[in-house]
Amino acid sequence: DTAVSQTPKYLVTQMGNDKSIKCEQNLGHDTMYWYKQDSKKFLKIMFSYNNKELIINETVPNRFSPKSPDKAHLNLHINSLELGDSAVYFCASSQGYQSSYEQYFGPGTRLTVT
Amino acid sequence: AQSVAQPEDQVNVAEGNPLTVKCTYSVSGNPYLFWYVQYPNRGLQFLLKYITGDNLVKGSYGFEAEFNKSQTSFHLKKPSALVSDSALYFCAVRDPSNTGKLIFGQGTTLQVKP
Repeated sequence: DTAVSQTPKYLVTQMGNDKSIKCEQNLGHDTMYWYKQDSKKFLKIMFSYNNKELIINETVPNRFSPKSPDKAHLNLHINSLELGDSAVYFCASSQGYQSSYEQYFGPGTRLTVT
Repeated sequence: AQSVAQPEDQVNVAEGNPLTVKCTYSVSGNPYLFWYVQYPNRGLQFLLKYITGDNLVKGSYGFEAEFNKSQTSFHLKKPSALVSDSALYFCAVRDPSNTGKLIFGQGTTLQVKP
């Protein structure tokens, strides 16, 4: 069973379009995260939610909006896509956020904006 | 500001030889340190973490890491490298903001040659 899953795995779209990436975890964790990995493999946190409550909201353009319908799901919607949004987006989850829990990552979604 | 440095972009070792992947950190307070591995086109996998206690931490796949407070280092080690260990390795430190935020190093590519 996949612990943290993301759909789609690949996403190719044109500038200006709106797209969503979905994430689901079946680990029973309370906290979920979105990370962006750029072309140099650098990883940066974007958002996190704990039991549907926003915890981390890093300096990310307003075009990015996370949505957590329940604690097992955290989706990422991106409006007006730009070339610079091309990256791999990883979802992750952990038992909680106020301790030393490790994070479990999904397989990633490779977004290519043309 | 909190930061993690991995001074080597790439480490090359021969199969069967010991390996070390270096990591130094800068964080206020007691550090919570993590190592993750990323295989090509995959998500990150948790290897091990240091929270407190014994400075030598053992993790998955025969990896271990040594915490050195005076040198602010947390180097990843393995006594005998395997070709299958070839991957991208990330060191991370938990941000003291108590949000669960991880700050990642830039990653080190480990190449193990037969």
